Amino acid sequence: DARVTQTPRHKVTEMGQEVTMRCQPILGHNTVFWYRQTMMQGLELLAYFRNRAPLDDSGMPKDRFSAEMPDATLATLKIQPSEPRDSAVYFCASGFAGPTEAFFGQGTRLTVV
Amino acid sequence: GDSVTQMEGPVTLSEEAFLTINCTYTATGYPSLFWYVQYPGEGLQLLLKATKADDKGSNKGFEATYRKETTSFHLEKGSVQVSDSAVYFCALVGGSQGNLIFGKGTKLSVKP
Repeated sequence: DARVTQTPRHKVTEMGQEVTMRCQPILGHNTVFWYRQTMMQGLELLAYFRNRAPLDDSGMPKDRFSAEMPDATLATLKIQPSEPRDSAVYFCASGFAGPTEAFFGQGTRLTVV
Repeated sequence: GDSVTQMEGPVTLSEEAFLTINCTYTATGYPSLFWYVQYPGEGLQLLLKATKADDKGSNKGFEATYRKETTSFHLEKGSVQVSDSAVYFCALVGGSQGNLIFGKGTKLSVKP
């Protein structure tokens, strides 16, 4: 059963620490999305990759966030330094290019204290 | 830019009631439209989709029709169950880069 895998599922860290979240997209998918979900803002698109190249990262705070795809089986989202306002659930999703659905991972719940 | 607007929640219904969650969109061209569902503690799952005008997507008793003339994609179900309690998101894929854009979500609670 193909699925998007995110690690870790939960992360508690202190303000100022670096946080790295990982995502394994479904094999063969060439499009990867990173979303952040909070009660106040809902689902926000942070970054969007196609064929490992970033197409849109305008939703991501550039000073502290970075997203990469070192290879086709791994996408990473880093926050350095982390702040309490970064506390949220971060979702990765993958799919094929074009007007098709994306498949979501179960998310990483990040708490910055 | 492209956007999705859906009705504010929360929506509380009794079991077997009729459900409508409104969704309208703004997009250039002809986007594909989706409804996703999120159960507590889980990621989003695709519920149904429609890729062109007048298409009807359906799944698990839920339906939505792609209405180009009113730029709408309202979600309906004739008889909701307690197990339908979740957050529902309307979304579109459109634009030159194919971004997946979501509405803010509508929380549905169904009481026995």
